[in-house]
Amino acid sequence: EAGVVQSPRYKIIEKKQPVAFWCNPISGHNTLYWYRQNLGQGPELLIRYENEEAVDDSQLPKDRFSAERLKGVDSTLKIQPAELGDSAVYLCASSPEGLAGGETQYFGPGTRLLVL
Amino acid sequence: GDSVTQMEGPVTLSEEACLTINCTYTATGYPSLFWYVQYPGEGLQLLLKATKADDKGSNKGFEATYRKETTSFHLEKGSVQVSDSAVYFCALSSPARGSNYKLTFGKGTLLTVNP
Repeated sequence: EAGVVQSPRYKIIEKKQPVAFWCNPISGHNTLYWYRQNLGQGPELLIRYENEEAVDDSQLPKDRFSAERLKGVDSTLKIQPAELGDSAVYLCASSPEGLAGGETQYFGPGTRLLVL
Repeated sequence: GDSVTQMEGPVTLSEEACLTINCTYTATGYPSLFWYVQYPGEGLQLLLKATKADDKGSNKGFEATYRKETTSFHLEKGSVQVSDSAVYFCALSSPARGSNYKLTFGKGTLLTVNP
């Protein structure tokens, strides 16, 4: 079974440029998460989707970040314009639909972004 | 809000040494607890989990017991190997908006095992 796929793996851009990250979750997983992991820190949730609906985007900086999950499968996270402080690893995760708190989230390898 | 505090790293051990990485949490209700591991160049992988008090999660020789009275979930292994070198994250799962749950992570502990 294929895992969570993310691309690109690495991205270097200059500040004020736009950037986009793509994620394809595990087949059949209805819930998709985007996290940001700063250097030396644990991942922090940016947005969570249940199918096409963004059910928790409270931590997403909406002035410059946007996300979409058309058709409830793959997802794109965009930053426009990027700032120096956006340098981080952006992780995508997915989980099967469920109400139990013990559900496992499956993570992709992440996209490492460097803003110069 | 919910939070996870884990032992600061880095931790450096010799092969076959005993490992303990401390993790304590603050949460309302009864969260599920997880240890995730991140090997160099790879994404986070679930190592083990426990969903209720006194449960013990175990995998690959690692163990952790959900202690409600001390709000802890310490990771232990009796004999580490070089291949265990990685970053270990403690996390808790708590109710979030909508019908699902969200993970709150600790800062991670880098473990290096020398031959």
